[in-house]
Amino acid sequence: EAQVTQNPRYLITVTGKKLTVTCSQNMNHEYMSWYRQDPGLGLRQIYYSMNVEVTDKGDVPEGYKVSRKEKRNFPLILESPSPNQTSLYFCASSFGPDTQYFGPGTRLTVL
Amino acid sequence: DAKTTQPPSMDCAEGRAANLPCNHSTISGNEYVYWYRQIHSQGPQYIIHGLKNNETNEMASLIITEDRKSSTLILPHATLRDTAVYYCIVTERAGGKLIFGQGTELSVKP
Repeated sequence: EAQVTQNPRYLITVTGKKLTVTCSQNMNHEYMSWYRQDPGLGLRQIYYSMNVEVTDKGDVPEGYKVSRKEKRNFPLILESPSPNQTSLYFCASSFGPDTQYFGPGTRLTVL
Repeated sequence: DAKTTQPPSMDCAEGRAANLPCNHSTISGNEYVYWYRQIHSQGPQYIIHGLKNNETNEMASLIITEDRKSSTLILPHATLRDTAVYYCIVTERAGGKLIFGQGTELSVKP
């Protein structure tokens, strides 16, 4: 089944403790991206990647890192999480940046 | 900022057509209109897209006005499972990115 998977789906952590949210797709898509969704602010793009080893900042990249060493994986790294990064995170993939397939979401709480 | 304007909410009776409007008066010639929906905190789901011709697929129809300044997404026979937030997005197809606005919260009622 064609899909985008994210892990973990739920995470509660404390300020400053490094964490990684994984994202994997099995559709051989070149384009992958990360979004966060907050009440009243909608979905905002954090980072995106047009292909392996090519990443670029989206609208809200501060406090996040990404890497794209393999085509199928696009992990989101929070080196020192803070409470304002408490959010619902979505990974997405596509052949191009338009018809994107979204993962199920990761709900992160930073205390 | 999103380049589109949508009503914040709409109701529709189950089995009836749901017509969701979107204004995009500043759309440029190489920009497409995309529709996604999000069912209660699940990942957004692609529905349909178009440039200037009307489009139809198994999920919905997209009607774009001749001047391309507005469009309507039509769900021909809405079901309770179509209750969701619907996003209208305008972007270039190649190299563009998705900017999600606030969308329209569609409630399908029995």
